[in-house]
Amino acid sequence: GQQLNQSPQSMFIQEGEDVSMNCTSSSIFNTWLWYKQDPGEGPVLLIALYKAGELTSNGRLTAQFGITRKDSFLNISASIPSDVGIYFCAAQNYGGSQGNLIFGKGTKLSVKP
Amino acid sequence: ETGVTQSPTHLIKTRGQQVTLRCSSQSGHNTVSWYQQALGQGPQFIFQYYREEENGRGNFPPRFSGLQFPNYSSELNVNALELDDSALYLCASSLGRGSTNTGELFFGEGSRLTVL
Repeated sequence: GQQLNQSPQSMFIQEGEDVSMNCTSSSIFNTWLWYKQDPGEGPVLLIALYKAGELTSNGRLTAQFGITRKDSFLNISASIPSDVGIYFCAAQNYGGSQGNLIFGKGTKLSVKP
Repeated sequence: ETGVTQSPTHLIKTRGQQVTLRCSSQSGHNTVSWYQQALGQGPQFIFQYYREEENGRGNFPPRFSGLQFPNYSSELNVNALELDDSALYLCASSLGRGSTNTGELFFGEGSRLTVL
């Protein structure tokens, strides 16, 4: 079935450093999204991308929808302690009846103050 | 604006039992999706409900069933529980379905199910 390969699996960085993570697939998708999950919480949407090549920012976060429609990356600039959590990429093909999201396995981010 | 709420937050069941999990969608949202998140994994799509009908299903057996009510709240039922059903069950609400579904989901905090 369709699968998203997310890397790295985990990252340990110093406060203030920039972070980069990505997600790839062998399948083409119409939509790429990035979610963050804190312990004991449900995932929260960070950025949604709907067009191949699209680059979108949300504060210190920047994400891009790959031109091949098979990948996406997320960058976090000048990390702070509250960036700690698990970041998930997700993708879907809308237009059918399902509208379901496929999630990657997540990138666990730890930030040292 | 009321967010997505789920109950119970934690529960323990034994193999073979049945469980019902409940979800109230965010105000104004007409679509509810259920996801299973095993430890260390990303959420996996179970099914979606729109206007009280199942509107898409993932790779889960028929013992996973659901309901959506006229007020858009929803239930997830799992029969004949197995040990592998132990997971965090997430409910997410959204506006629209199919071609209008943007993938922008609003998740609840989840129900943590442990099957012994």
